[in-house]
Amino acid sequence: GIQVEQSPPDLILQEGANSTLRCNFSDSVNNLQWFHQNPWGQLINLFYIPSGTKQNGRLSATTVATERYSLLYISSSQTTDSGVYFCAVVASNSGYALNFGKGTSLLVTP
Amino acid sequence: ETGVTQTPRHLVMGMTNKKSLKCEQHLGHNAMYWYKQSAKKPLELMFVYNFKEQTENNSVPSRFSPECPNSSHLFLHLHTLQPEDSALYLCASSQDHRLDEQFFGPGTRLTVL
Repeated sequence: GIQVEQSPPDLILQEGANSTLRCNFSDSVNNLQWFHQNPWGQLINLFYIPSGTKQNGRLSATTVATERYSLLYISSSQTTDSGVYFCAVVASNSGYALNFGKGTSLLVTP
Repeated sequence: ETGVTQTPRHLVMGMTNKKSLKCEQHLGHNAMYWYKQSAKKPLELMFVYNFKEQTENNSVPSRFSPECPNSSHLFLHLHTLQPEDSALYLCASSQDHRLDEQFFGPGTRLTVL
């Protein structure tokens, strides 16, 4: 099946700093989503971005489908940004499942 | 609030119990999913339903039995579970079962004693 790799696995930032999270995937995709999982387990949709660039406030994302990667940018980080960020894809050639990476665990300190 | 609700939010059960998890979506979507998130594995798909028909079973043991009576409701019936089945069970829905954005419920955190 498709492989989804996220980096870095862990990240500690001071409030106000910027960061870039990366997601590499091994095959072509129909769907790519970025999620933020809060401490209670809720997956919050950040972006639906199988290709192109999107921005939402301090967050933006870019997917280069031909090169099989996506980037999530967090600017001016806040303590409320802490949590785990997941990239998930639906492979073009099989199934309906979102295949998740292992996530990037982000801690933003005051 | 994503428009997908799950009950109960927490559940503790013994290995001989039978319980059910419920998911309801208020988004008018046609596809619903069960995912499992355990401590040692990435989030993984269990079942997919599209227009009430099961379209994918990801080799899930028969002690997990899904039911989809209509496009808005999805159940996961549990019986004779094992302690290693303890996990966060997440329900999701989407308009189309392959192409569209999936939205997740808050999850049920299950502990099997």
